[in-house]
Amino acid sequence: KAGVTQTPRYLIKTRGQQVTLSCSPISGHRSVSWYQQTPGQGLQFLFEYFSETQRNKGNFPGRFSGRQFSNSRSEMNVSTLELGDSALYLCASRETVEAFFGQGTRLTVV
Amino acid sequence: AQTVTQSQPEMSVQEAETVTLSCTYDTSESDYYLFWYKQPPSRQMILVIRQEAYKQQNATENRFSVNFQKAAKSFSLKISDSQLGDAAMYFCAYSPDRGSTLGRLYFGRGTQLTVWP
Repeated sequence: KAGVTQTPRYLIKTRGQQVTLSCSPISGHRSVSWYQQTPGQGLQFLFEYFSETQRNKGNFPGRFSGRQFSNSRSEMNVSTLELGDSALYLCASRETVEAFFGQGTRLTVV
Repeated sequence: AQTVTQSQPEMSVQEAETVTLSCTYDTSESDYYLFWYKQPPSRQMILVIRQEAYKQQNATENRFSVNFQKAAKSFSLKISDSQLGDAAMYFCAYSPDRGSTLGRLYFGRGTQLTVWP
């Protein structure tokens, strides 16, 4: 069974640009969650999607958005990038208790 | 509000020795799950062990075991016979049990474990 796939692995963007990150969950998993990881704030929850519906949302500004497709693949979008958005973005796939994580997308905003 | 606290930012252990990582959490829920995740330099989070709150028996997975004290809201991880490959950041995490729907994960700030040869 293939694991959770996040693309791209690394990304460099300029302030003010927008970015889209992708996550393909494990086959059969309907829940996809996104987390932002930074040295200063640790792991912060962004949002969770289940069967194409956003079920839970963290405390992030509206510049952060996401969606989930019928095949459970998920994308998150960050508009008007700020330097503080530089982080590792982790996606987690879940169907039962255990969450499986991808390798993350390292976003650098310059 | 659910919070997870790891009071040890860094720990170190000699190879083959035993080390215990601490975690406390706060919740008003009665049904939930607790996890320890490991994040090596590759950055991929790997589940080490999990504990269901309704189970009194402490979970074990080979060299990894937990001490779950529900009344004290404490969930420590013991690593026995430490190996160089155990060096990583360890995160304690909590997830409420919402029945058919799964709650989000709440993470602690992590404990960086160094293993000395």
